[in-house]
Amino acid sequence: NAGVTQTPKFQVLKTGQSMTLQCAQDMNHNSMYWYRQDPGMGLRLIYYSASEGTTDKGEVPNGYNVSRLNKREFSLRLESAAPSQTSVYFCASRIGQATREKLFFGSGTQLSVL
Amino acid sequence: QQPVQSPQAVILREGEDAVINCSSSKALYSVHWYRQKHGEAPVFLMILLKGGEQKGHDKISASFNEKKQQSSLYLTASQLSYSGTYFCGTEIHDSGYSTLTFGKGTMLLVSP
Repeated sequence: NAGVTQTPKFQVLKTGQSMTLQCAQDMNHNSMYWYRQDPGMGLRLIYYSASEGTTDKGEVPNGYNVSRLNKREFSLRLESAAPSQTSVYFCASRIGQATREKLFFGSGTQLSVL
Repeated sequence: QQPVQSPQAVILREGEDAVINCSSSKALYSVHWYRQKHGEAPVFLMILLKGGEQKGHDKISASFNEKKQQSSLYLTASQLSYSGTYFCGTEIHDSGYSTLTFGKGTMLLVSP
């Protein structure tokens, strides 16, 4: 199994450009998440989807939108990229709502906004 | 709220022990521990639920003190492969939906 797959792995944008980060999981997980990781800040939750058809804001949602396309796919969109959005983005998934469930992470997308 | 991890960084020689702490200002239902190697995704180590549970895997173990809202990760007889950044993730809800809030991480370097 591939687990959690993110595309692209690297991306360079100019300020104001838009793009969509793609994430897909093949583990039949109900819950999916987008985190960003900045040096010294740890992983911060941007948006999450508890189950297909639902999305909610996390800790740092400003400047982002998400779409839970189906049970497998959860995309993150930057409508007008800003240098402050330069970061490494991780998609993650887990089986469901139970707190004993571990997260499975994708390999990350390194995004630079110039 | 983001849990607080300490220390920020640890440098060890192979075979030495280390303890990484994670504390929260809110009552915790569970604590997760993950390790991330440079340029890679975080990888799950273990989950501890409230009840003072202590778990272990190989020479890495952890404890959870729900009264103090703290968890500690113990690395015994460290190996070179233990190098990386360790994150604790905390959950504060025990019903409905909850999300993981991660600490800023503790960088561990094990040298020969």
